Amino acid sequence: KQEVTQIPAALSVPEGENLVLNCSFTDSAIYNLQWFRQDPGKGLTSLLLIQSSQREQTSGRLNASLDKSSGRSTLYIAASQPGDSATYLCAVRRRDNQGGKLIFGQGTELSVKP
Amino acid sequence: DTEVTQTPKHLVMGMTNKKSLKCEQHMGHRAMYWYKQKAKKPPELMFVYSYEKLSINESVPSRFSPECPNSSLLNLHLHALQPEDSALYLCASSPTRQGIYEQYFGPGTRLTVT
Repeated sequence: KQEVTQIPAALSVPEGENLVLNCSFTDSAIYNLQWFRQDPGKGLTSLLLIQSSQREQTSGRLNASLDKSSGRSTLYIAASQPGDSATYLCAVRRRDNQGGKLIFGQGTELSVKP
Repeated sequence: DTEVTQTPKHLVMGMTNKKSLKCEQHMGHRAMYWYKQKAKKPPELMFVYSYEKLSINESVPSRFSPECPNSSLLNLHLHALQPEDSALYLCASSPTRQGIYEQYFGPGTRLTVT
């Protein structure tokens, strides 16, 4: 059974700091991995999607890496800003796709202090 | 247009009421999803529709009844709900072309059952 874990559960940093959010999964037979951002009471915004054949994806100040063999992904945020404060969720899709079912981690709640 | 819309934004209903949640997308996606999210928890998958046919039902109680009238619309009919069904209900859609399964989420409907 695929399990997804995110560490830490919460993180508070001063503005301008570079930071790394971690995501680990127990079964390396994944199709892809998706990072989301969620503001309180809102829907999920897709940040980055990494296919199983890829090692990293970049979008602006965000960089996500994937190491399937070790069951890990990291989301790197450069030069953090107060507007980055949100909950960050990673989710994996199994290789057999299961109709597109995503398995989510519990999320990391990020607070960036001015 | 990468937008999924959901109506209403907020809904308060009694345990004997019947109401419906609506989700719409115009991205040509042929897979649509309903999720339930409780506070401080990740989304939990409820239903998946693929090409307007129900492909996954995650053992959801029959008081929740999904409907996909066409490729752009997804409804969730609610009847005889319990207070513990109060949550944020999220709709998502994704392409079904091989290799492209990025899910796009709507803003959600905040449901309160009294």
